[in-house]
Amino acid sequence: DGGITQSPKYLFRKEGQNVTLSCEQNLNHDAMYWYRQDPGQGLRLIYYSQIVNDFQKGDIAEGYSVSREKKESFPLTVTSAQKNPTAFYLCASTTGPSDTQYFGPGTRLTVL
Amino acid sequence: SQQGEEDPQALSIQEGENATMNCSYKTSINNLQWYRQNSGRGLVHLILIRSNEREKHSGRLRVTLDTSKKSSSLLITASRAADTASYFCATDGKRNTPLVFGKGTRLSVIA
Repeated sequence: DGGITQSPKYLFRKEGQNVTLSCEQNLNHDAMYWYRQDPGQGLRLIYYSQIVNDFQKGDIAEGYSVSREKKESFPLTVTSAQKNPTAFYLCASTTGPSDTQYFGPGTRLTVL
Repeated sequence: SQQGEEDPQALSIQEGENATMNCSYKTSINNLQWYRQNSGRGLVHLILIRSNEREKHSGRLRVTLDTSKKSSSLLITASRAADTASYFCATDGKRNTPLVFGKGTRLSVIA
C-alpha cells in the first residue's frame, strides 16, 4: 500500500520545547517537502530535499530543522526558536520538482 | 514567495451549478497544477496542464491555460456538496525549484 504518512496527527507542545514531526514515504520518490499552513491560508515552504543527505531552506526556515538520512524519511523539528509554531504541517513527496506532489494527511501542532 | 494567486478567495454556489476559479501567475512556467484540499486534510492532485496545452479535461473538471495572460481557470461542472473544499493552483518556475502554491479558493457547494 503505497503512500506518504505523517505522525502524529495532533501534537501539543509546551513553550520552549522542541518537537519532531515524522514524514515517511514508500513511493520511492527522491524529493520531499515540508509546508506550513495557517488557518485560511495557502502553503508556505519550510524546507525541501531533492536527494538523500541534502536539503535546502524554503521561504520560512527560521526556527525549523530537518534531516534526510534515508530516502524514505524526512523528519521536521520545530525548535523553541520558532516564535509562533501553532499551525498545520504538511509533508509531500515527488519524483521531480515540477512533477505532481503527493501529500501526507498532515500534523496539527498546538503550542500550549 | 507565492507566484500563483487564486480568485475568488471564496465561492458559494448551489448544488448543480458550475464553479469557476482562476489562477494568475507572474513568471514563465513549464506546467501548472491544480490541487484540492478537504478541511483538515492533505492536498490531492487534480490535474496538470503543460505550457503548450490550452485546455484539459478530467471528468467534471475542465482546466484552461492562457500563457499570454499568465492565467489559468478551473471549471467544475454540475457541482456536488462533496466538491466543497479549498482549491489551489501550483506553478513550477526556475529549473529545479519547488512548486509554488497560491492561497487557494474556498468553495462551498450548498445542497
